[in-house]
Amino acid sequence: AQRVTQPEKLLSVFKGAPVELKCNYSYSGSPELFWYVQYSRQRLQLLLRHISRESIKGFTADLNKGETSFHLKKPFAQEEDSAMYYCALKPSGTYKYIFGTGTRLKVLA
Amino acid sequence: DSGVTQTPKHLITATGQRVTLRCSPRSGDLSVYWYQQSLDQGLQFLIHYYNGEERAKGNILERFSAQQFPDLHSELNLSSLELGDSALYFCASSPRTGGNTGELFFGEGSRLTVL
Repeated sequence: AQRVTQPEKLLSVFKGAPVELKCNYSYSGSPELFWYVQYSRQRLQLLLRHISRESIKGFTADLNKGETSFHLKKPFAQEEDSAMYYCALKPSGTYKYIFGTGTRLKVLA
Repeated sequence: DSGVTQTPKHLITATGQRVTLRCSPRSGDLSVYWYQQSLDQGLQFLIHYYNGEERAKGNILERFSAQQFPDLHSELNLSSLELGDSALYFCASSPRTGGNTGELFFGEGSRLTVL
């Protein structure tokens, strides 16, 4: 079954500490993977996608096909990074986006 | 604001009732997706429409139905409501089938409470 797993419901880190939000997926083909973010009182929005290999707001994510992972990382967390983060999988050739259950990131001062 | 618009924002109803949630996609977007977010369940994909046609179905109950109209707005109909249907229902749109940039644009959601 196609699935996205985000094992941590809540992740608390101190400002300036490194952050890693875990995402594992279950899919046998070539996936498209995304990270979406929802800041307080804002809409869910795209943070980054693996095909772009971009860094947004200091966040990066690398697709590891061997480990079927797409962890989101940032070397130095900022208070404004506090938000809900969702990992999403789009199986190739489909129109479905499969989301994980989300991880709430709290960056403490 | 030309973003995705969902109405109503909040809805409280009783078991056994029927409700309709409405979504207007971003101007020019042809694809509309519906998601259900229950407590601890993440975003569950319900259904996808592209230019008026159903393209993909997820875990959508038979009591639920949806359609996309010629003006591209979409409605999600929930009938014979049960307590467990209480959730936040999100609509998202994308320019095409999402294969271009892969980005979904979300509405603010409609919070349904079934008492």
